[in-house]
Amino acid sequence: EDQVTQSPEALRLQEGESSSLNCSYTVSGLRGLFWYRQDPGKGPEFLFTLYSAGEEKEKERLKATLTKKESFLHITAPKPEDSATYLCAVQDGSNTGKLIFGQGTTLQVKP
Amino acid sequence: NAGVTQTPKFQVLKTGQSMTLQCAQDMNHNSMYWYRQDPGMGLRLIYYSASEGTTDKGEVPNGYNVSRLNKREFSLRLESAAPSQTSVYFCASSEYGVANTIYFGEGSWLTVV
Repeated sequence: EDQVTQSPEALRLQEGESSSLNCSYTVSGLRGLFWYRQDPGKGPEFLFTLYSAGEEKEKERLKATLTKKESFLHITAPKPEDSATYLCAVQDGSNTGKLIFGQGTTLQVKP
Repeated sequence: NAGVTQTPKFQVLKTGQSMTLQCAQDMNHNSMYWYRQDPGMGLRLIYYSASEGTTDKGEVPNGYNVSRLNKREFSLRLESAAPSQTSVYFCASSEYGVANTIYFGEGSWLTVV
């Protein structure tokens, strides 16, 4: 069964304190691994797609990496505005395009 | 710059009542999806439509029906609402096929009492 597990569930950081969020997955025929950001009361906002092991993508203070079993979202020198829930999702080998989501990591960055 | 638009934003229903959540996208996407989000459960797929004229069940379809009205619109209907359907519902869309980014609407908060 396809599965996505994110850790930790919650993370509190001081402004400027770098850290990483983990996304472990088991899926038959990975087509893509997606990272989304979700603010309270809002829909998920797309951040990155990774397609193959070894791939990395960056956006401002965020950097996503992918191995054959997991993905990391590295946050460098975070700011309070980075506070949000970060969702990881995988797309399986079917042709449907649908996503299987993890439960998310809620990040709080204190000034 | 509307993207994916859902209505209503908030709704309170009594057990047994019916209602339809509406969704429209202006990105000319072929595929559309309905997810629900519950605390501790993550986002779970209810139904999806890979292309106009087709619909398929997702992970949690029981108690729901969908209609792909045209390429732009995909509605979700609760025929007889139950308290277990209290949730936040998200509509989403993407280009047809795999490895395409799925874009989400802002959500519809539904409470069944």
